[in-house]
Amino acid sequence: TQLLEQSPQFLSIQEGENLTVYCNSSSVFSSLQWYRQEPGEGPVLLVTVVTGGEVKKLKRLTFQFGDARKDSSLHITAAQPGDTGLYLCMTTDSWGKLQFGAGTQVVVTP
Amino acid sequence: EAQVTQNPRYLITVTGKKLTVTCSQNMNHEYMSWYRQDPGLGLRQIYYSMNVEVTDKGDVPEGYKVSRKEKRNFPLILESPSPNQTSLYFCASSPAGGGTEAFFGQGTRLTVV
Repeated sequence: TQLLEQSPQFLSIQEGENLTVYCNSSSVFSSLQWYRQEPGEGPVLLVTVVTGGEVKKLKRLTFQFGDARKDSSLHITAAQPGDTGLYLCMTTDSWGKLQFGAGTQVVVTP
Repeated sequence: EAQVTQNPRYLITVTGKKLTVTCSQNMNHEYMSWYRQDPGLGLRQIYYSMNVEVTDKGDVPEGYKVSRKEKRNFPLILESPSPNQTSLYFCASSPAGGGTEAFFGQGTRLTVV
């Protein structure tokens, strides 16, 4: 079983600040997804990273996949209140079983 | 449009009254699963199914049943709900083989009184 360790659990920052969320495992990922979840809604996919060392950008969000494919990070530049939400990393095993990190609750205050 | 549809979105029921939460996907995905989400506990898997007629327990299966008679549908059944099953529930589907995106339903907020 691949355990995903996500940190920190909670982040509260002011608008305009930067933040980074981490997702780590002792195992190698075939790929990793990052989701954002709004209160009472289902998680929505932000990005999938597949290749070791890969960097993907989605507006002010930058996603990195570690060279060894055991870790990933999500960096938000100049956070805005609209970035508030629960950020989840997720991977799937060879059977398609989903495995989640515990989630990082991000709160951006104006 | 690719989607996972859960119903109902909100449900308040009484202890012991059987209920079913439906989940349907239109993407021909093999893998479907159910989760409950509680504050501080993250998403915990209840049951999953790798294909029609193939289901297995997740991490917190007690008090729940599922069935997978058709590929598109994966209902969650609570035969005798109890207050500790008050939670936010999500259904998800994904293709078999791993390394792919999962699609989630909109969620069902269940309250058992």
